[in-house]
Amino acid sequence: AQSVTQPDIHITVSEGASLELRCNYSYGATPYLFWYVQSPGQGLQLLLKYFSGDTLVQGIKGFEAEFKRSQSSFNLRKPSVHWSDAAEYFCAVGPYTGTASKLTFGTGTRLQVTL
Amino acid sequence: DTAVSQTPKYLVTQMGNDKSIKCEQNLGHDTMYWYKQDSKKFLKIMFSYNNKELIINETVPNRFSPKSPDKAHLNLHINSLELGDSAVYFCASSQVRGGNRNEQFFGPGTRLTVL
Repeated sequence: AQSVTQPDIHITVSEGASLELRCNYSYGATPYLFWYVQSPGQGLQLLLKYFSGDTLVQGIKGFEAEFKRSQSSFNLRKPSVHWSDAAEYFCAVGPYTGTASKLTFGTGTRLQVTL
Repeated sequence: DTAVSQTPKYLVTQMGNDKSIKCEQNLGHDTMYWYKQDSKKFLKIMFSYNNKELIINETVPNRFSPKSPDKAHLNLHINSLELGDSAVYFCASSQVRGGNRNEQFFGPGTRLTVL
């Protein structure tokens, strides 16, 4: 069965500091990996995705993530956090092929940004 | 232009009532989904339709009945509402065939409160 672990429930960083959110996955085949962001009271917005190719993927809002197969990880990074980045971040894994993508989400990491 | 829209945004109702949530996507996608996000922000898939055909049906009480009149719409009807049904329900869509397969786009969510 597929699963996603986000070990950090809550992270606080200062504005301008760097950020790394951890994500570990378990998946029996080649995974299709995603990071979504949910601002308070809002829906989920896709930040970036990875299936194959370069293991460092760039997303929107200055985010990037690195896929490490040996560690089953897909950590999200940002060099300099802005106050508007405060939100809930979800890592998800699913199949690339098939009729529908049954995405499995992690439990989320809440990011708080201090000024 | 709104890509995935849901109505209503908020729904407050009494136990035992029957209610519906509507979802529409204008992305031309062939697959739509319903997710439930509980009070701890955990997201879990409930149903998925591909070209109006039910293809994912997770362990969900049969009080929940999805209906897809066409590829662009997926509604969720809930009978005999219970307190535990209180949650945020998200609709999503994806294009299974072609490029960017299974990248899911989410609606803004419907917050259901059962009193």
